[in-house]
Amino acid sequence: QSALTQPASVSGSPGQSITISCTGTSSDVGGYDFVSWYQQHPNKAPKLMIYDVNIRPSGVSNRFSGSKSGNTASLTISGLQAEDEADYYCSSYTTSITLVFGGGTKLTVL
Amino acid sequence: EVQLLESGGGLVQPGGSLRLSCAASGFIFSNSGMSWVRQAPGKGLEWVSAISGTGGSTYYADPMKGRFAISRDNSKNMLYLQMNSLRAEDTAIYYCAKDLKTINAFDMWGQGTMVTVSS
Repeated sequence: QSALTQPASVSGSPGQSITISCTGTSSDVGGYDFVSWYQQHPNKAPKLMIYDVNIRPSGVSNRFSGSKSGNTASLTISGLQAEDEADYYCSSYTTSITLVFGGGTKLTVL
Repeated sequence: EVQLLESGGGLVQPGGSLRLSCAASGFIFSNSGMSWVRQAPGKGLEWVSAISGTGGSTYYADPMKGRFAISRDNSKNMLYLQMNSLRAEDTAIYYCAKDLKTINAFDMWGQGTMVTVSS
């Protein structure tokens, strides 16, 4: 199972919105509404930000939103803040009854 | 407070074995599927294995099939990962994670335990 494709890096200024894409295939992203997004700060464990494409766990800011179209899922962060600077990973359930992650995207807040 | 605490990592020679443990607290352990996710130094996340709440169903990523075995002891609130025939490419931080939905989303993570495979 190949990793999902994410841009290596994105950047934005405080207050702006950014979107991170996550591209898979019909065997994973396109086949199920089981896409999740994780935030990981340096030397910390990942934190779940979005699951089932667009559901925010309790306690996650509503500045984070998710969507999906075909084989590509997206994470949008609005009102960018300095604390949002981190690595972001998408993941998807697959037809092989496994989970695949994206390669990760480094978000820089300028 | 939900807490996951991994242990058992360390330095092992290629071809060797290691058993990781994860102590869970703060939630009804037997009701939750659990997973192991690893992260090689400076690299991204890689799902390793998952197990259902009862332990009756187990799932593995292809590179781990036949070498790794996930198990749990619900009477002790413990999750395990037996790793055999270890290779240099298995070097990583291994995280224990609580499944929000089996093989779908992980809503709690441990701090990780480092496994280094080297001669």
